Amino acid sequence: DIQMTQSPSTLSASVGDRVTITCRASQSIDIWLAWFRQKPGTAPQALIFQASDLASGVPSRFSGSGSGTEFTLTISSLQPDDFATYYCHQYTHFPFTFGPGTKVDI
Amino acid sequence: EVKLLESGGGLVQPGGSLRLSCVASGFAFSKYAMNWVRQAPGKGLEWVSSISGSDGSTHYTNSVRGRFTISRDNSENTLYLQMNSLRAEDSALYYCAKGFRSASYYADYWGQGALVTVSS
Repeated sequence: DIQMTQSPSTLSASVGDRVTITCRASQSIDIWLAWFRQKPGTAPQALIFQASDLASGVPSRFSGSGSGTEFTLTISSLQPDDFATYYCHQYTHFPFTFGPGTKVDI
Repeated sequence: EVKLLESGGGLVQPGGSLRLSCVASGFAFSKYAMNWVRQAPGKGLEWVSSISGSDGSTHYTNSVRGRFTISRDNSENTLYLQMNSLRAEDSALYYCAKGFRSASYYADYWGQGALVTVSS
């Protein structure tokens, strides 16, 4: 199975900050990586797919990059709505796997 | 507007069974892959199972293979997850998620989840 790791596990930031989260896969997944944001008590929301494509309706302050085994999610200017937990997810090799999550708090 | 509505969760004893349903609307259900993802209380996301929208092929995470069965009724726009031989570690909020294409499992839309509690 492909193991996904994320760093940091927790990130403290302020509104307006530029934030970067890193995700690593234990073997190459090409570009088949997605990012999700989950606010407390709600379902996950898709942000990025195919490593760098913005999901429908997602603000342009979110961007993704990377390929192979190393990926990043960047939020260019953190908004109050962005204090949440972020997960990366590989969807090319079964069983699919998620990273452990990165919690972004104030 | 894409909508996914899960139902069928509840409290069940270890070794028991439950069937989750997910009614879909707002898209051509038969043409899309579908997924189940779960989240134990206070924990991260765990992929459980997927079913193709093209050939109906199914896939499972190792811990549920042989106990859970994913299926779909395209005439009713409904996705199912039959869960047998339930264990305490299966307790979680189960999300239904739409795939991006018939054979692309990227989960672009999610339901609000159905809570399953396995306890005596």
